[in-house]
Amino acid sequence: AQTVTQSQPEMSVQEAETVTLSCTYDTSENNYYLFWYKQPPSRQMILVIRQEAYKQQNATENRFSVNFQKAAKSFSLKISDSQLGDTAMYFCAFARTGRSGGSNYKLTFGKGTLLTVNP
Amino acid sequence: DTGVSQNPRHKITKRGQNVTFRCDPISEHNRLYWYRQTLGQGPEFLTYFQNEAQLEKSRLLSDRFSAERPKGSFSTLEIQRTEQGDSAMYLCASSKQGSSTDTQYFGPGTRLTVL
Repeated sequence: AQTVTQSQPEMSVQEAETVTLSCTYDTSENNYYLFWYKQPPSRQMILVIRQEAYKQQNATENRFSVNFQKAAKSFSLKISDSQLGDTAMYFCAFARTGRSGGSNYKLTFGKGTLLTVNP
Repeated sequence: DTGVSQNPRHKITKRGQNVTFRCDPISEHNRLYWYRQTLGQGPEFLTYFQNEAQLEKSRLLSDRFSAERPKGSFSTLEIQRTEQGDSAMYLCASSKQGSSTDTQYFGPGTRLTVL
């Protein structure tokens, strides 16, 4: 079974600064996907960024980037130039590779990190 | 693409009553997932469908829970004889098997409160 651990229940950052959220996971799988999802207050969960385990290059999406360390089973999220709209609960999630080769499989989530961006 | 929708958004019921939730996935998505999220926790997988077939059920899904997706489009999740421990946010997500993005898109959830 897979487990995902987010050791920071809450974090805060000043607007325009950079913040890094931590995530570690445990799995015996070699091929899998990792995700960061964002859940703003009272709003639905949306995907921030995803990483395929077979890719060595770290994924980036605008102000969001990851530091994927496969051997250490670590997957941190860096948010640059933080904005007030980044205030949300952030969840790290794992999915093993499905039979079709994609990530279309159940997600295992961490407990989340509540990020507050202060003006 | 109108997104994943869920109804109702909120449900308050008394212990022992039955409740049913509905999820409408993104139209071309053939996979549909149900998750449960309790306060302060991440979502936990309950079950998923590929088209109309229910391919996996979590051990969290007791005999009081049943999910259906009769025509491979919308899905319903029914909880019979609700208990206070069933109070949670029930999330639905959908994805398209074999798509290049392969991403699960979530609905807004149904918040269940059992009194």
